[in-house]
Amino acid sequence: GESVGLHLPTLSVQEGDNSIINCAYSNSASDYFIWYKQESGKGPQFIIDIRSNMDKRQGQRVTVLLNKTVKHLSLQIAATQPGDSAVYFCAEITNQAGTALIFGKGTTLSVSS
Amino acid sequence: DTAVSQTPKYLVTQMGNDKSIKCEQNLGHDTMYWYKQDSKKFLKIMFSYNNKELIINETVPNRFSPKSPDKAHLNLHINSLELGDSAVYFCASTPSDSGANVLTFGAGSRLTVL
Repeated sequence: GESVGLHLPTLSVQEGDNSIINCAYSNSASDYFIWYKQESGKGPQFIIDIRSNMDKRQGQRVTVLLNKTVKHLSLQIAATQPGDSAVYFCAEITNQAGTALIFGKGTTLSVSS
Repeated sequence: DTAVSQTPKYLVTQMGNDKSIKCEQNLGHDTMYWYKQDSKKFLKIMFSYNNKELIINETVPNRFSPKSPDKAHLNLHINSLELGDSAVYFCASTPSDSGANVLTFGAGSRLTVL
């Protein structure tokens, strides 16, 4: 079946560095992509989203890039802080009724100060 | 006020028992979901209800039975619990089932089967 996956299960960075978390997806019919952050003991929280008609979207300290040619999604976090330490998931969905978000396997980001 | 609330947060039980997890959302959303997160953090869709109607039922053992008494509630009942049912179960909701919507998740219910 088709699924969303992540390139690296873990990423360790120093405080202040920029972080890049990557995700490869295989369903070319996906219309909408979301990055979620999950802190220990909590549910996933929305970070940023992007639709398939865009290739870049910026938020506060975060940027999502979408490359539909190679089916690649990335999350860039600027000036990473210890509070950014969490598991990050990309998720995809088609813009059809009766479908659900499909999640990738997650990347654990560890930020050391 | 918590948007999506699940109870209990922790549940420890013996194999063979029957247990339920409850979920309520106060966001006025029409669609609710149950996801299962395994020990490797992988999140997998189990069920989805739109306005009390089942719309997604993934390959889940029929020991799992969701129930939606109204669109603000989606409960999960599990019969004859097995060791492999140990996981964190997340409830989530979206405004509608039209696909491109952000899911709002609850804090999770950690089920441990001994």
